[in-house]
Amino acid sequence: ETGVTQTPRHLVMGMTNKKSLKCEQHLGHNAMYWYKQSAKKPLELMFVYSLEERVENNSVPSRFSPECPNSSHLFLHLHTLQPEDSALYLCASSQSNTEAFFGQGTRLTVV
Amino acid sequence: QKEVEQNSGPLSVPEGAIASLNCTYSDRVSQSFFWYRQYSGKSPELIMSIYSNGDKEDGRFTAQLNKASQYVSLLIRDSQPSDSATYLCAVNAAKGSARQLTFGSGTQLTVLP
Repeated sequence: ETGVTQTPRHLVMGMTNKKSLKCEQHLGHNAMYWYKQSAKKPLELMFVYSLEERVENNSVPSRFSPECPNSSHLFLHLHTLQPEDSALYLCASSQSNTEAFFGQGTRLTVV
Repeated sequence: QKEVEQNSGPLSVPEGAIASLNCTYSDRVSQSFFWYRQYSGKSPELIMSIYSNGDKEDGRFTAQLNKASQYVSLLIRDSQPSDSATYLCAVNAAKGSARQLTFGSGTQLTVLP
């Protein structure tokens, strides 16, 4: 069983759909992250949940909504997305300031 | 100024050579530094972490940190074609009250057989 598990691995959705990405970590970490990676662009931090504090990148549109019900689970709720939101969405977890471990990612295509 | 800067490359080295990857960062109070390897279509994989000035060696990989110069590097000795990937530098930088992992844009490395 991998340390950080993301589902689904691939998702195709229309612009009017609502979907959610799920992430679960089995490492006992206290911080979880959502990153977006578009083609030919660097990793972009979207949201961090750390010791029950949420920090967000102010440039992330409101059509992305995170939820962290506990330290092991993280969701990214998606609604009314745009084609430019198509990207690889990566979840990661870490213990405080130490190294982060990534899930395998969700390849999202918005049509 | 970008928070974490890397040369985007591409960097090409022959098999068996030393590959040298460089990274600079802007947050002087950064405490944790990491190198990740990312193959095309895959998620980043941690290969090295370094927390104090100096060198840290792990097999064919050596990470070097110089906090005074705000510089961290990765050396890959005896480079293999399987080392061909994008290498990401990451720094645990402060944003408000939280410390967050910020990535550079990555350096694409190609090891030629």
